[in-house]
Amino acid sequence: GENVEQHPSTLSVQEGDSAVIKCTYSDSASNYFPWYKQELGKGPQLIIDIRSNVGEKKDQRIAVTLNKTAKHFSLHITETQPEDSAVYFCAARNTGNQFYFGTGTSLTVIP
Amino acid sequence: NAGVMQNPRHLVRRRGQEARLRCSPMKGHSHVYWYRQLPEEGLKFMVYLQKENIIDESGMPKERFSAEFPKEGPSILRIQQVVRGDSAAYFCASSRLEETQYFGPGTRLLVL
Repeated sequence: GENVEQHPSTLSVQEGDSAVIKCTYSDSASNYFPWYKQELGKGPQLIIDIRSNVGEKKDQRIAVTLNKTAKHFSLHITETQPEDSAVYFCAARNTGNQFYFGTGTSLTVIP
Repeated sequence: NAGVMQNPRHLVRRRGQEARLRCSPMKGHSHVYWYRQLPEEGLKFMVYLQKENIIDESGMPKERFSAEFPKEGPSILRIQQVVRGDSAAYFCASSRLEETQYFGPGTRLLVL
């Protein structure tokens, strides 16, 4: 089955700096890669996603890149703000429509 | 279009009681997933259901746990004879086939 690894587990950045979170996956047939943000006491919220036929996608301060050959994808947050502080999860969906999640990255943006 | 709804949001049970967690998917979504999350940990897959079918229950404990998604009504995750180790947040997510998965707010189960 699919195995998704996520790094780092914790990340602290100064407000205004960039944050990068990386994930690798094992199943080359996985075709869809969403990223979720989870704030304390809430459910995960989709923030951006990318499909396997695309290498990069951007939405304002958030971008995701996908390297299918290396089987890794990354989340980039630029100009970080305190409200970006949360736990971020990557995921990979296989051809059976099942989702596999990384272990999460706790991001702290220091004002 | 309402999002994924879960109830109750908080549930307290004594050891040995039953816990029933409900999930109403987004309108038009026929795929439901249940996940379990312990404090400061990731999301652990439990079960994947379509209407009236269990597609993958490889993440479900063999004993005491069951799930259903009937033709009408919400999906139910049922935990019989709860133990303290069942205390966790349980999240439901829904999707259309091969589309994005959206999460509900979760049910926080506390077993006393």
